[in-house]
Amino acid sequence: EAGVAQSPRYKIIEKRQSVAFWCNPISGHATLYWYQQILGQGPKLLIQFQNNGVVDDSQLPKDRFSAERLKGVDSTLKIQPAKLEDSAVYLCASSLDYSGWGYTFGSGTRLTVV
Amino acid sequence: ILNVEQSPQSLHVQEGDSTNFTCSFPSSNFYALHWYRWETAKSPEALFVMTLNGDEKKKGRISATLNTKEGYSYLYIKGSQPEDSATYLCAFIPLDAGNMLTFGGGTRLMVKP
Repeated sequence: EAGVAQSPRYKIIEKRQSVAFWCNPISGHATLYWYQQILGQGPKLLIQFQNNGVVDDSQLPKDRFSAERLKGVDSTLKIQPAKLEDSAVYLCASSLDYSGWGYTFGSGTRLTVV
Repeated sequence: ILNVEQSPQSLHVQEGDSTNFTCSFPSSNFYALHWYRWETAKSPEALFVMTLNGDEKKKGRISATLNTKEGYSYLYIKGSQPEDSATYLCAFIPLDAGNMLTFGGGTRLMVKP
């Protein structure tokens, strides 16, 4: 079974620039998550999709972050404009159901804002 | 906001040492606890999904226990090897969370040969 694919692997941008990350979940996984992991902290949920609808985006900084899930499959996360504190690893995950074993992460995109 | 804490934050051990980490979480409204192993530049790898009070699970040299009444889980590594060097994350799911994980800050383990 193919894993969760993310791109790019690394990105360096200057503050106030824009950036977008892409995620392709495991086929058939209805739920998709974006997490932000700042160095020294645990991953924090930014947004959760169920198919192409948003379940929870309470921790997404909506003034600069946006996310969409195209046709309930792929997803993009955008930051515009980026700030220095957005430097982090952005992890995408998908899950099949409530059991937990279907919860699979991608390898993440490491963003550095300079 | 759920409080999930891990200790220690980092740990340096010698090859062959056994070690353990702690994850504490809210004891009420428990649904599941996950343990992940995360190596740099790789995907977090699921180690255990624990759901029942008193659960003990084992995978090779790694094992975990769960106490939902007091809100803690221990992860043990027996005879640490350099390839065990990684960040170990626990993640808590309460009953009403819709499968959303709340992570602890992780324990970064470094095993010296």
